[in-house]
Amino acid sequence: DAGVIQSPRHEVTEMGQEVTLRCKPISGHDYLFWYRQTMMRGLELLIYFNNNVPIDDSGMPEDRFSAKMPNASFSTLKIQPSEPRDSAVYFCASSPSGRADTGELFFGEGSRLTVL
Amino acid sequence: KQEVTQIPAALSVPEGENLVLNCSFTDSAIYNLQWFRQDPGKGLTSLLLIQSSQREQTSGRLNASLDKSSGRSILYIAASQPGDSATYLCAVYGSARQLTFGSGTQLTVLP
Repeated sequence: DAGVIQSPRHEVTEMGQEVTLRCKPISGHDYLFWYRQTMMRGLELLIYFNNNVPIDDSGMPEDRFSAKMPNASFSTLKIQPSEPRDSAVYFCASSPSGRADTGELFFGEGSRLTVL
Repeated sequence: KQEVTQIPAALSVPEGENLVLNCSFTDSAIYNLQWFRQDPGKGLTSLLLIQSSQREQTSGRLNASLDKSSGRSILYIAASQPGDSATYLCAVYGSARQLTFGSGTQLTVLP
């Protein structure tokens, strides 16, 4: 199994630019989560989907952040416009039904974003 | 709001030593508690998951205990090895159906 695949692994951009992070969950997993990790705040849940439908987006910090899941094998997290305080590692995680209810998530290796 | 605290923030020990990592949480209404390992530049790997009805879980040299009433968990690593060097994260899964993470303990095992 390939695991959760995220791209890009590293992104450096300038303030004001649009950033798109991508995630391919494990095949057959119908829950997908986006987390953000910073030194100051640790790991925070941004949004999660079930069967491609956003369930809880209360962790999305601002309207500059948006996430989509057009199909079961692909999700994007977009930041527009980006700001230096968005610099963080963004993790995607997936889980099959039943196991998501117990918090058993499978994490990708993250996308490290630096906004200058 | 659930808060998870991990102590110490960093720990350095010589190889072979047994060690204990601490995790505390403020809301005891949890479904389970997990310990993760994170290597530099990598994602999170789940090490142990303790259901709220359980007291402990063991995997190899790792043992995790859970005292839900006092809001505490301990991860015990026996006979530590340099390959154990990583950041260890504790996370609780509670009534909000979300994983709440601690800030982690950065462990260095010296050869």
